[in-house]
Amino acid sequence: SQQGEEDPQALSIQEGENATMNCSYKTSINNLQWYRQNSGRGLVHLILIRSNEREKHSGRLRVTLDTSKKSSSLLITASRAADTASYFCATDGRGAQKLVFGQGTRLTINP
Amino acid sequence: DTGVSQNPRHKITKRGQNVTFRCDPISEHNRLYWYRQTLGQGPEFLTYFQNEAQLEKSRLLSDRFSAERPKGSFSTLEIQRTEQGDSAMYLCASSLMASNTDTQYFGPGTRLTVL
Repeated sequence: SQQGEEDPQALSIQEGENATMNCSYKTSINNLQWYRQNSGRGLVHLILIRSNEREKHSGRLRVTLDTSKKSSSLLITASRAADTASYFCATDGRGAQKLVFGQGTRLTINP
Repeated sequence: DTGVSQNPRHKITKRGQNVTFRCDPISEHNRLYWYRQTLGQGPEFLTYFQNEAQLEKSRLLSDRFSAERPKGSFSTLEIQRTEQGDSAMYLCASSLMASNTDTQYFGPGTRLTVL
């Protein structure tokens, strides 16, 4: 079963705008990771945030983590057409190695 | 290319046939994972290996599924007596157990279609 819930399920914006995706999870975690998946392809790792971190940046990506609310957000700034993809958050629980994924957000960047 | 590789990329089979998929992890990675992903869903964990030891199996992994990693390098996932419900993308990932930050790197997947 899926632990995480991404919100929204689908997002369509204009190129150059910022995109924000949210993820909620249910149990305590070690780390939360965000992945991107282009249609029919494998997953590309974007960023990992540890449970004791609150915010992390990588290029145009900003991830926040609120463990009290069991939620995370991924912000993509200055979106590009190449950012069109599905985005998944994944958590690994304490003592567990497997990743538990949400259902993903389908992001479409319109030129 | 030093990433995770999977073969074949696509497999079409008839119901009742056996299929086998192969995953080659990043060379120094000691952990290897298998996930399954159906259309519109996130990946779901099937099993993982640390070196050659299979340490965890999901209840999704019925007795028709078997995975091996005989020498702690590549892994195979076999599905016996395939059913239409087995149609999915099978993803392999690997990681290096070095710290608490265990980033998993995914391969391109094998898409299975059972007719």
